[in-house]
Amino acid sequence: DTEVTQTPKHLVMGMTNKKSLKCEQHMGHRAMYWYKQKAKKPPELMFVYSYEKLSINESVPSRFSPECPNSSLLNLHLHALQPEDSALYLCASSQAGLTQYFGPGTRLTVL
Amino acid sequence: GNSVTQMEGPVTLSEEAFLTINCTYTATGYPSLFWYVQYPGEGLQLLLKATKADDKGSNKGFEATYRKETTSFHLEKGSVQVSDSAVYFCALTANTGNQFYFGTGTSLTVIP
Repeated sequence: DTEVTQTPKHLVMGMTNKKSLKCEQHMGHRAMYWYKQKAKKPPELMFVYSYEKLSINESVPSRFSPECPNSSLLNLHLHALQPEDSALYLCASSQAGLTQYFGPGTRLTVL
Repeated sequence: GNSVTQMEGPVTLSEEAFLTINCTYTATGYPSLFWYVQYPGEGLQLLLKATKADDKGSNKGFEATYRKETTSFHLEKGSVQVSDSAVYFCALTANTGNQFYFGTGTSLTVIP
């Protein structure tokens, strides 16, 4: 099974809201990733967790806050977002830097 | 450094035409190479991969060969279908960490 699940599928939020995106995998992978993807562009790496520790933060604004509660779960907490943060947010997982498996994404709209 | 250069799109083909999407890379060490496909409104799906020179990845009629001498990993399919319409991303990982490097993506539209 190579499935990564993400919830919710769609999210609309105002600039003062707080919301969270969730990602789950049961492949035993020890690396998990958050990407942001704008239309017709490649995914941009935001965060990498390796063995439940944050290993890469690509200078992402503090209004995005990642969390890895355990080896199967990855959250992205959102607060005080801007309209330009509207995008598809993708989660992925991999084993030791090998093939990354992506979830279906959360389509986020910030009003 | 590591980078991927991918053929600019969009590409429009008639059904049953031959497809080539060019991908070249720059990498330190011995990278693994990937093609991902993204259908409208969906996440990225692994299409095929190759982990060492001269390996050929194949899946669903698509093929790509890891050519170290030309630093290339071109995607080919002999006869495209309307259902192949999607965006295709070439990517590499340098095997020294957890980071992937993506090309800019090539949008393919297949018309009946």
